[in-house]
Amino acid sequence: GEDVEQSLFLSVREGDSSVINCTYTDSSSTYLYWYKQEPGAGLQLLTYIFSNMDMKQDQRLTVLLNKKDKHLSLRIADTQTGDSAIYFCAEPQGTGGYQKVTFGTGTKLQVIP
Amino acid sequence: EPEVTQTPSHQVTQMGQEVILRCVPISNHLYFYWYRQILGQKVEFLVSFYNNEISEKSEIFDDQFSVERPDGSNFTLKIRSTKLEDSAMYFCASSERGRARTEAFFGQGTRLTVV
Repeated sequence: GEDVEQSLFLSVREGDSSVINCTYTDSSSTYLYWYKQEPGAGLQLLTYIFSNMDMKQDQRLTVLLNKKDKHLSLRIADTQTGDSAIYFCAEPQGTGGYQKVTFGTGTKLQVIP
Repeated sequence: EPEVTQTPSHQVTQMGQEVILRCVPISNHLYFYWYRQILGQKVEFLVSFYNNEISEKSEIFDDQFSVERPDGSNFTLKIRSTKLEDSAMYFCASSERGRARTEAFFGQGTRLTVV
């Protein structure tokens, strides 16, 4: 079955870059997602990348996709204390709008002021 | 911006009691989902619902669980006889049909505590 793995914890200093890594097993997904979960809050779609892309930049966020190694990463430039959250790599399955999502284990990002 | 809303935000129930978690999906969405996240663990898929029937369910979704769309706006998850291990955050989600790219929108979650 599908499996999505991430490192559990990352600590960075405010202003540094954060890189959160993810490996996945199912190569058939059209997209790969990054969700953010702030303390006590729900799951917010942060960004996504098409599976036929290698890189996507969205303001401070850069997503890199290595399909050969099934490796996805999220880079946050100039990390702020407000970026402290759990970040989930996620792989949706389905077509025509059906979106069953397999989530990674989540990486807790701690930003030290 | 449209959002998925869930009530209550926190529910405490005694073991063996029935509990109903409520969700209002985004109004033009046609696929509905429930996920759960046991504290410190992964977010896990429970069930998907389309056209008034379950389209897919995980092995977690046993006979103790049921889902219903009782009217045009609500989507509910019922746990018939709660167990301690049902304590988790339950997320409702919905997605639109027919777009080239779509995504699942998640609610804020209901924290269920079984005592």
